[in-house]
This record gives sequence, structure tokens and C-alpha cells, in this order.
Amino acid sequence: DGGITQSPKYLFRKEGQNVTLSCEQNLNHDAMYWYRQDPGQGLRLIYYSQIVNDFQKGDIAEGYSVSREKKESFPLTVTSAQKNPTAFYLCASSPHPPGRNHGYTFGSGTRLTVV
Amino acid sequence: QQPVQSPQAVILREGEDAVINCSSSKALYSVHWYRQKHGEAPIFLMILLKGGEQKGHDKISASFNEKKQQSSLYLTASQLSYSGTYFCGTENYGGSQGNLIFGKGTKLSVKP
Repeated sequence: DGGITQSPKYLFRKEGQNVTLSCEQNLNHDAMYWYRQDPGQGLRLIYYSQIVNDFQKGDIAEGYSVSREKKESFPLTVTSAQKNPTAFYLCASSPHPPGRNHGYTFGSGTRLTVV
Repeated sequence: QQPVQSPQAVILREGEDAVINCSSSKALYSVHWYRQKHGEAPIFLMILLKGGEQKGHDKISASFNEKKQQSSLYLTASQLSYSGTYFCGTENYGGSQGNLIFGKGTKLSVKP
């Protein structure tokens, strides 16, 4: 079955550390997205990519970095510059351009906690 | 730019109906609706692409009023499985194609 896989499910980061969240999809989708979810805030866009080797900043990109070397993979690095990284991170993918009946497919998320 | 959802939360008994609204200050190209259970991935429900469009999915349907820049999600004869947080995601004219801006969500609780 096609889908989108995020790992790990839970991640703990020490102060000053960089950590990388994995996102892999086998849906042959061109577009991939990273969202951050905080209680009561909805989903806020961190980065997105519509084609391999290209990505764009979203609304809250500071302290994060991404790469898109393969169509299937869109890892997110949370750097030490991100001062409040504790959150639930969701990766999504979709066809691009979007189809009439296609929404986003989301991964099951990574919960990151600073210790 | 973030769409505004109302109400923020609603509690229903099984079999009751609910309406969730999503309003934007920007002209909308499309509106998506998703449902998320606690700690899980949001699940795509439906997309509405043009003014006046209505769609249905079991007893969940939605409408899109392009002129008013708003969409409404209708849940009829609610079931326990409808519980969760509902998000609208809007695609704005002039924005990056395919990018969605999500509302803060409406938490729906269905009680027996």
C-alpha cells in the first residue's frame, strides 16, 4: 500500500543539538510539506517542496532546514537555532499541480520534546 | 491570512447535527477539510474547488461560497466515530499553487 512514513514517532532533543526527522513517501507525489502543530494553533507551514532539488520557506522556517535530493524523501532538521522546538511535526505530500479530488496525505507524525 | 474556524469546540449527542464554518479574508481557490484524531495524522475528507460547489461523504457534506470566501462542513446524524478535530485548509488566489493555510481547528466530541 502507498503511504507516507515518518520516523521516529517520538524524539527527544537536548539543548544545543540538531535533530533530523525523516519523511518518506511512495505515492509518487511531487509536492511535500512540513507542518508544525502546537495545541490550539492548527498546522503551521515550515517548508515545502514542489520538485526535487527545490524547496521554499513557509511561515515559520526560522531554525529549521530541509533537503529534497530524492522525490520520495523530504527530511527536516531542527537546528539549535530553533528556540522552542517542542511540538508535533507532520509531513504531508500531494500531487503537483493539485488534482480536483486530491488532498494532502499526512504521515503519522513525530513528537519532538526538548529535555 | 489564516482562515477562521467556528465554533472552536462543540459537544454533541449521537444522532445530532453540527455545522463547522471556515472563513477567509482572502479570495479562495479551493477549500479542503480534514479530520484528526488525537495524536494521529489528519485524514482528508473532501476538497471544494468552485463557488457554490457542494460535496458529500457518507453523512458529512460541505459547501463553498466563493463570494463570501467561506465554507461550511455539515455533519448529519453524528456518530461516535465523528469525534476529532476538524481543520479547513484554504488555497488562496495569488498564493503558491497547492499550498494550504490551515485554520486552528474545531474540536468535535460526540457522546453516546
